[in-house]
Amino acid sequence: GAGVSQTPSNKVTEKGKYVELRCDPISGHTALYWYRQSLGQGPEFLIYFQGTGAADDSGLPNDRFFAVRPEGSVSTLKIQRTERGDSAVYLCASSLSGSLDTQYFGPGTRLTVL
Amino acid sequence: AQRVTQPEKLLSVFKGAPVELKCNYSYSGSPELFWYVQYSRQRLQLLLRHISRESIKGFTADLNKGETSFHLKKPFAQEEDSAMYYCALRGTASKLTFGTGTRLQVTL
Repeated sequence: GAGVSQTPSNKVTEKGKYVELRCDPISGHTALYWYRQSLGQGPEFLIYFQGTGAADDSGLPNDRFFAVRPEGSVSTLKIQRTERGDSAVYLCASSLSGSLDTQYFGPGTRLTVL
Repeated sequence: AQRVTQPEKLLSVFKGAPVELKCNYSYSGSPELFWYVQYSRQRLQLLLRHISRESIKGFTADLNKGETSFHLKKPFAQEEDSAMYYCALRGTASKLTFGTGTRLQVTL
């Protein structure tokens, strides 16, 4: 079946602009995760949704970052007033129900802030 | 706090040689440990998890709670094993904490 998909695959923006990154999880997966991977680093947790609600947003670096999942499926990560330090690959993962299940990753969105 | 350490950025081995990718962790409770792999131009995918105690593509990893380690091993490296390998930990929360990764390069 179809895996996790993310759009766009690449996004170039200018400092100060607003961006939205989209994640389509595997159908039927109730848990959805966002991670950020900077160059030379492993993925770092940002936020976890169980259904429509954010169960854990402890990884969001500041209030410029926000994520929604209004219908419990597709999620959008929103970054306001982008900074050059936001440049990274943003990964989305989904799992069937949560803590004990395998997380399946999408291909990522490479964000470049000029 | 939970932390995963992968001390080697790059490990280069000859085809047919044994492989050991090191992973150490810090966590106060009982963690669940994983190895994820990323082949060139592919997405991150699960290789194995300690609770399954299985061998995938010839790789095994044993959780050593005394040494807080979860090293990945394979007796004979193959060219197709060349990839980026990430060790990850899951505690009581659902999130994964990853190490910085080790690039395995298998040469002829």
